[in-house]
Amino acid sequence: DIQMTQSPSSLSASIGDSVTITCRASQTIGTFLNWYQQKPGKAPRVLIYGASTLQSGVPSRFSGSGSGTHFILTINSLQPEDSATYYCQQSSSMPPLTFGGGTKVEI
Amino acid sequence: EVQLVESGGGLVQPGGSLRLACTTFGFMFKNYEMNWVRQAPGRGLEWLAYISKSGNIIYYTDSVKGRFTISRDDAQDSLYLQMDSLRAEDTAVYFCARQHSDIFTGDSMFDHWGQGSLVAVSS
Repeated sequence: DIQMTQSPSSLSASIGDSVTITCRASQTIGTFLNWYQQKPGKAPRVLIYGASTLQSGVPSRFSGSGSGTHFILTINSLQPEDSATYYCQQSSSMPPLTFGGGTKVEI
Repeated sequence: EVQLVESGGGLVQPGGSLRLACTTFGFMFKNYEMNWVRQAPGRGLEWLAYISKSGNIIYYTDSVKGRFTISRDDAQDSLYLQMDSLRAEDTAVYFCARQHSDIFTGDSMFDHWGQGSLVAVSS
């Protein structure tokens, strides 16, 4: 199974800051990496797929990069509505599809 | 508008069974692969099961293999999860998720999710 490790597990930032979240895969997954945002009591929504492609309707302050085993989600100019938990997920190999442990962003 | 609506959750005793349904609207259900994902209280996301468009290919995570069964009914635009031999550790919110797969790039993602259905396993 491919293990996904996110860091940090939580962070606190201010409005207007830029933050980065890292996701590492236990083996190479090319660019088969997705990022999701989840707010309390809500379903996740996809932000980035294919490591760097912004899903339709997602603000351009979100960006993704990386390939192989190391991936980064960057949120520029942090907004109050960005307070959420962020998950990476590998789509390279199943079963199982695996998620990272999550990063809680507090503003 | 694409919608996925889960139903069938509730309180069940250990060893019991439940059947979750995910009724879909706003898209051609038969053209999409589907998945179930769960989230235990205060925990992260855990993928559980996948079913192909035809229903011929099915995968499970090890923790539910042999106890849970994923199925689909294209005539009803619905996805199901039969859960047997339930354990306390199966307590979670269960989400159905539509999988969007790009045949050219190989990318796939869960692009639409239901609101979730709470399953509580307790005596």
